[in-house]
Amino acid sequence: LAKTTQPISMDSYEGQEVNITCSHNNIATNDYITWYQQFPSQGPRFIIQGYKTKVTNEVASLFIPADRKSSTLSLPRVSLSDTAVYYCLVAPLSNTGKLIFGQGTTLQVKP
Amino acid sequence: DAGVIQSPRHEVTEMGQEVTLRCKPISGHDYLFWYRQTMMRGLELLIYFNNNVPIDDSGMPEDRFSAKMPNASFSTLKIQPSEPRDSAVYFCASSQSGRGTYNEQFFGPGTRLTVL
Repeated sequence: LAKTTQPISMDSYEGQEVNITCSHNNIATNDYITWYQQFPSQGPRFIIQGYKTKVTNEVASLFIPADRKSSTLSLPRVSLSDTAVYYCLVAPLSNTGKLIFGQGTTLQVKP
Repeated sequence: DAGVIQSPRHEVTEMGQEVTLRCKPISGHDYLFWYRQTMMRGLELLIYFNNNVPIDDSGMPEDRFSAKMPNASFSTLKIQPSEPRDSAVYFCASSQSGRGTYNEQFFGPGTRLTVL
């Protein structure tokens, strides 16, 4: 599985857009990029997934450049409730295999 | 659906005691995963099952840890004997092959284990 690198922590203020970038230089052709969110005292929760270009859902957007060596999770107009750890994972599409969670990025949203 | 159910939510025990953590996956899911989370090591996959059969237990730290899945709706993770370094939050997750979103695992609320 491709190794990912993301910032350990980020701070933001309510109402701002937050962009969290993940590097995955060794991404394979059949790998997809998946982001999970973990609130304090809860298990991780799947939020978005993509292969290339841009994916948007009700929670976030995911931007993936043509070379796919990085990706950016974008959270529009964050609120205090978006304070969480965000994990970037790279793996082939499967419901069968391992997901390797790195350190994640701790996002602290301030009032 | 109630989601993945874990019990107990909190467990405090003394070193040397046996600890059993329980998990009920989402109905219809055929994969079940056990994870451990600590500040130092992050979220680690311990073992996972497919159709009640263990597929990969390479993450199980040592022989003191064992996991079973006697049926599709129940799994246990047992630590015997427990040690202070086993203190962590243990998560159970499940997923469904062939349908839904790939690479999407549904996590339970976790069991916070403290070994004194």
